[in-house]
Amino acid sequence: QVQLQESGPGLVKPSQTLSLTCTVSGGSISSGDYYWSWIRQPPGKGLEWIGYIYYSGSTYYNPSLKSRVTISVDTSKNQFSLKLSSVTAADTAVYYCAREAAATVTLDYWGQGTLVTVSS
Amino acid sequence: DIQMTQSPSSLSASVGDRVTITCQASQDISNYLNWYQQKPGKAPKLLIYDASNLETGVPSRFSGSGSGTDFTFTISSLQPEDIATYYCQQYDNLPVTFGQGTKLEIK
Repeated sequence: QVQLQESGPGLVKPSQTLSLTCTVSGGSISSGDYYWSWIRQPPGKGLEWIGYIYYSGSTYYNPSLKSRVTISVDTSKNQFSLKLSSVTAADTAVYYCAREAAATVTLDYWGQGTLVTVSS
Repeated sequence: DIQMTQSPSSLSASVGDRVTITCQASQDISNYLNWYQQKPGKAPKLLIYDASNLETGVPSRFSGSGSGTDFTFTISSLQPEDIATYYCQQYDNLPVTFGQGTKLEIK
């Protein structure tokens, strides 16, 4: 059974960089059948797809965040990571990592989510 | 970006009722649409993929239909455990986009 687990600081100061890591267990991040995605959800609001990375390192970012987002992968640790720079209160959200099946673009396994609050 | 519009935004129904949620895309997305269920404090869960295919393990009371720009998600007989927010998601074009969600409550 594939499991994903987000980790990282729950509080980030405005203008700083948000950094989160997703650890994948029960499956290899190097499988060519999947992309590895980040999605966020502001409190009480809907879902926003941030972007994904393939095990090879190729990425696609949501244009709305592209200038501030970096997603990277560490296949040796079976992890992928998110960095979001120059954060503001509008970036306060629950951040989810998820596995995205390449063939059907279904987000079939999700982490439990981690709340990141941007506040001084 | 492709805009996804769900209706209604919220819905109250009784146990046993048939419940229908619609999702409209701002352009033709063929059948490239998925439906997710999100319970409070939990991550979303995939229910339906490719507009009408039931994910393994999902009860058969859930179904989906549609193609092009108009899609429907149905619960044939509402159960108490179905209380959640439901989201549609298109993947015809990147970036992937979601509907704003439909919050389902029990009357």
